[in-house]
Amino acid sequence: QTVVTQEPSLTVSPGGTVTLTCGSSTGAVTSGHYPNWFQQKPGQAPRSLIYRTSNKHSWTPVRFSGSLLGGKAALTLSGVQPEDEADYYCLLFYGAPWVFGGGTKLTVL
Amino acid sequence: QVQLVQSGGEVKEPGASVKVSCKTSGFTFINYGFSWVRQAPGQGLEWIGWIRVDNGDTQFPQRFRNRVTLTTDTSTTTAYMELRGLTSEDTAVYFCARDITWDVDFWGQGTLVTVSS
Repeated sequence: QTVVTQEPSLTVSPGGTVTLTCGSSTGAVTSGHYPNWFQQKPGQAPRSLIYRTSNKHSWTPVRFSGSLLGGKAALTLSGVQPEDEADYYCLLFYGAPWVFGGGTKLTVL
Repeated sequence: QVQLVQSGGEVKEPGASVKVSCKTSGFTFINYGFSWVRQAPGQGLEWIGWIRVDNGDTQFPQRFRNRVTLTTDTSTTTAYMELRGLTSEDTAVYFCARDITWDVDFWGQGTLVTVSS
C-alpha cells in the first residue's frame, strides 16, 4: 500500500517562510504524480491551491508556490499571514488510486 | 460561477447504504471528472473514487472497489456516490471535487454521513 508522507505539524512566525513537503513510499515524487495541494480550515471543505506541481488557481495567493524539492513535492509559503493557519494536504496520482498525504497542521505563531 | 452543492446529512444504521449527490452548475459538466473524498472525525482526507463524466470510466482504491458506486446524470448535471455495507468506520464527511486531467479545483461543501444503531 502506497503511503504519502507529510510533516505532521509545523510552526512559522508571521511574515516568515515555511516549506511543507510531500514524499512517496514508492520513491521520488515527480511531475508525473501531478501533485495537488489543498488548504483546509476547521469546519470547511478543502480549498485547492496548487495543481500539477506548481500551477496556481486563479484564487491562490501569490505567496503560495509549489515545486519539486529533493525527491518530494513541496509547498512554500513566503510572507506567511495569520490566516494561513490551517491543515494542508497533498494529493499524488498513481494511475489508480490517488493518495492523500496525512496532512500538515500549520501554526502561525 | 462554478458550484457544487451536495445533499444533506444522513444517519444510517449499520449494514445500510447511503447515496450522496453533488449537484453542479456553472460549467460544462461533461468535460470533467469528479473525485469523492471522505474525512472521518478528526482525521485526514481519504480518496474513495473518481468518475469521468463523458465515458463513465471509474477508478477506486482496492478497499472501496466492491462497496462504492459512482454515477453521473448529465441531464441534471449531478454526480452521485453510493456506499454500501455501512459500518461505524464509515462515519465521515463526504466531499465531491471537480477535476480535469488530475487537476482538482472546486469542491462541494461536504455531506456528513453518520452510521449508528
